[in-house]
Amino acid sequence: EDKVVQSPLSLVVHEGDTVTLNCSYEVTNFRSLLWYKQEKKAPTFLFMLTSSGIEKKSGRLSSILDKKELFSILNITATQTGDSAVYLCAVELSHAGNNRKLIWGLGTSLAVNP
Amino acid sequence: GAGVSQTPSNKVTEKGKYVELRCDPISGHTALYWYRQSLGQGPEFLIYFQGTGAADDSGLPNDRFFAVRPEGSVSTLKIQRTERGDSAVYLCASSLTGGLTYNEQFFGPGTRLTVL
Repeated sequence: EDKVVQSPLSLVVHEGDTVTLNCSYEVTNFRSLLWYKQEKKAPTFLFMLTSSGIEKKSGRLSSILDKKELFSILNITATQTGDSAVYLCAVELSHAGNNRKLIWGLGTSLAVNP
Repeated sequence: GAGVSQTPSNKVTEKGKYVELRCDPISGHTALYWYRQSLGQGPEFLIYFQGTGAADDSGLPNDRFFAVRPEGSVSTLKIQRTERGDSAVYLCASSLTGGLTYNEQFFGPGTRLTVL
């Protein structure tokens, strides 16, 4: 069965700390790995990773994929209270034709205290 | 431009009733996805439309769930004989295409369904 596992499930830090969120996966037909930030109801896209070892960066957030060890990490440096959210990892599967499907992890709930 | 919209934002119903949840994707997006998210869980894939056709409905939990997209734009998720376990936030997402090149999925605000 395809699965995506995130850790930790929850994390509480102080402003200015650096955090690392983990996502490991076991899937049959990997296409890409995606990170989303969910503050209210709708997840918002952060990164898509398809190749090992290439860091994606956006401001204080960065992410990297290891396709050999089947995991990805999301780093947030100099955290701010606005970073408080659930961070979701999803793996996109490659199926026959154009069919697409995302398998989601449970998310890491990050709370950044002032 | 307008994003993905979903109506209603909240729906409370009684066990055994029929409900319809509506999704208006971003104009021009051919791919549309439905997900279900229970409290403390990640979104769970339900069904994916490419145009008018359901390209992948393997996530629908049982035959009480059905979705349509008759004109390739608005989609309706239909749940018959609702059960308390159907209570969740139902998320809709759309992307420009569902083809071989990845296109970001844009999510709507969701419909919170509560089955009493």
